[in-house]
Amino acid sequence: GQQVMQIPQYQHVQEGEDFTTYCNSSTTLSNIQWYKQRPGGHPVFLIQLVKSGEVKKQKRLTFQFGEAKKNSSLHITATQTTDVGTYFCAGTDSWGKFQFGAGTQVVVTP
Amino acid sequence: EPEVTQTPSHQVTQMGQEVILRCVPISNHLYFYWYRQILGQKVEFLVSFYNNEISEKSEIFDDQFSVERPDGSNFTLKIRSTKLEDSAMYFCASSEQGLLNIQYFGAGTRLSVL
Repeated sequence: GQQVMQIPQYQHVQEGEDFTTYCNSSTTLSNIQWYKQRPGGHPVFLIQLVKSGEVKKQKRLTFQFGEAKKNSSLHITATQTTDVGTYFCAGTDSWGKFQFGAGTQVVVTP
Repeated sequence: EPEVTQTPSHQVTQMGQEVILRCVPISNHLYFYWYRQILGQKVEFLVSFYNNEISEKSEIFDDQFSVERPDGSNFTLKIRSTKLEDSAMYFCASSEQGLLNIQYFGAGTRLSVL
């Protein structure tokens, strides 16, 4: 069945540094969504990517969907303490099955 | 801004008891979802609901689970005969369209089975 994997599971970043988290699916995806969950909070939608090779930016966040539509990445530049949380990718495969990845927990130190 | 509301925020129950978790989706949304998140783990899809019937469900959503839209505003998740391993945060979400659309999550209900 479909597997959505995220790496790394845990990311410790110094404030001001850049980092990237990756999302890989075992099957081709119709779309990929990214959510952010603050500690003790609920997932909040960040972005959706639909097209092969699509790149979208939100301020310091850059999201990319792979050419084969099986992987995605989230790159954050100049990390701030407000970026703390767990970032989940979630994808829908061609059979309509929807699955979240395990998430990347981001800790930012000043 | 419209939001998904869930009640109660925390539910404590004895093993074997039935619980009903309640959700009020955003009013113009047509698709509703339940997710489960065991402490420290990923968000797991349970079920999606559209047009008064289940449209998708995961392997987790077995016979002990059921969903219902009893009126025009509420969307409920019932767990019959709760088990210790049902302890988790349960999130309700809704979207205007299906899974290819933005999902808005409620704050969740923390279920503790003793």
